Amino acid sequence: AQSVTQPDIHITVSEGASLELRCNYSYGATPYLFWYVQSPGQGLQLLLKYFSGDTLVQGIKGFEAEFKRSQSSFNLRKPSVHWSDAAEYFCAVGESSRNTPLVFGKGTRLSVIA
Amino acid sequence: EAGVAQSPRYKIIEKRQSVAFWCNPISGHATLYWYQQILGQGPKLLIQFQNNGVVDDSQLPKDRFSAERLKGVDSTLKIQPAKLEDSAVYLCASSRGGFGSSSYEQYFGPGTRLTVT
Repeated sequence: AQSVTQPDIHITVSEGASLELRCNYSYGATPYLFWYVQSPGQGLQLLLKYFSGDTLVQGIKGFEAEFKRSQSSFNLRKPSVHWSDAAEYFCAVGESSRNTPLVFGKGTRLSVIA
Repeated sequence: EAGVAQSPRYKIIEKRQSVAFWCNPISGHATLYWYQQILGQGPKLLIQFQNNGVVDDSQLPKDRFSAERLKGVDSTLKIQPAKLEDSAVYLCASSRGGFGSSSYEQYFGPGTRLTVT
């Protein structure tokens, strides 16, 4: 069965500092991987996705993520955090072979301080 | 294109009452999902539809939850009777379905926040 682990429940960074949110997945074959962001009272917005090909994927709002098969990881990065990035971030995995529901991690809450 | 629409946005009910949520997916999207997101956790699938047929309802508590997508477009999720532990955000998502990786991309609605007292 698929599973996703986000080891960090809450991270606080200073505005302008770099950010890395960790995500580890468990899946037998090549997964489809996603990062979503959720602001308070809002639905989930897709930041980026990995299906195949280049293991470094670029997303919206200056985010990027790198797929590392050997480490079963798909960490999210941003070189310079803005106060508006404060939100909940979810990593999710889906099966590459068929249209299946996503399995989500428990999320990482990002706080940004001045 | 218009996004996934959900209503109501907020609902407060007492335990043992019933409640219904509505979702209208993106036009042309064949696959529709209902997820439950309990505070502090990631969303978990309740039910998946492909057109008007159920693909996966293994996580749906069928003694109290029901869902339908009669015409293969909009969908309704019902809880009857509600319990305190049903307090959560109910998210609806849709995807194009079919073949090809882009067909798997799921688009989420704003959710309905349910509080059961």
